[in-house]
Amino acid sequence: NAGVIQTPRHKVTGKGQEATLWCEPISGHSAVFWYRQTIVQGLEFLTYFRNQAPIDDSGMPKERFSAQMPNQSHSTLKIQSTQPQDSAVYLCASSLDESEQYFGPGTRLTVL
Amino acid sequence: GDSVTQTEGLVTLTKGLPVMLNCTYQTTYSPFLFWYVQHLNEAPKLLLKSSTDNKRTEHQGFYATLHKSSSSFHLQKSSVQLSDSALYFCALKGYNQGKLIFGQGTKLSIKP
Repeated sequence: NAGVIQTPRHKVTGKGQEATLWCEPISGHSAVFWYRQTIVQGLEFLTYFRNQAPIDDSGMPKERFSAQMPNQSHSTLKIQSTQPQDSAVYLCASSLDESEQYFGPGTRLTVL
Repeated sequence: GDSVTQTEGLVTLTKGLPVMLNCTYQTTYSPFLFWYVQHLNEAPKLLLKSSTDNKRTEHQGFYATLHKSSSSFHLQKSSVQLSDSALYFCALKGYNQGKLIFGQGTKLSIKP
């Protein structure tokens, strides 16, 4: 079991550029979650999918952020026109039955 | 809305001493509480979980008891080790809710 895979591990973008972050959940897990981690805000929920369907996006910034899960083996988080305040570690987690979430190593996004 | 409070930002202890990290929560749902541990540059890993009132749960020498009467789920260990140095997050999942609500985290630093 490889665990949750996130790519890239590090991404540096210039202000105004687009960033796409990838997550491969644990095989067989039906739920995928996205969180953002910063020193100031801590760990914040962004959005999640169950059986590829969007269930709760209450934590997603209304502008520039979007997430998709086109198939059961991967999900993407896209940030358009990145801003310095988007700099954070973006964590993906997957869950078999939503009682336990298994986290990936995260993607560290730096916006210059 | 739901919230989790961890009162200590940093706890510094000498190896071999006991530790208690505080966690209190607010929710209108039936709570499911978790403790996650995050070592430097690693993914958060599940340490403990509980939804049963007044029942102690243990793992890897750590233990916690969910007390619904006081809305608390404090993490304890009787003798800390150098390898316990990490960031500890308390998290809440309400009944039939998928997302985790995290506390701000407590950094535990163990000295020789």
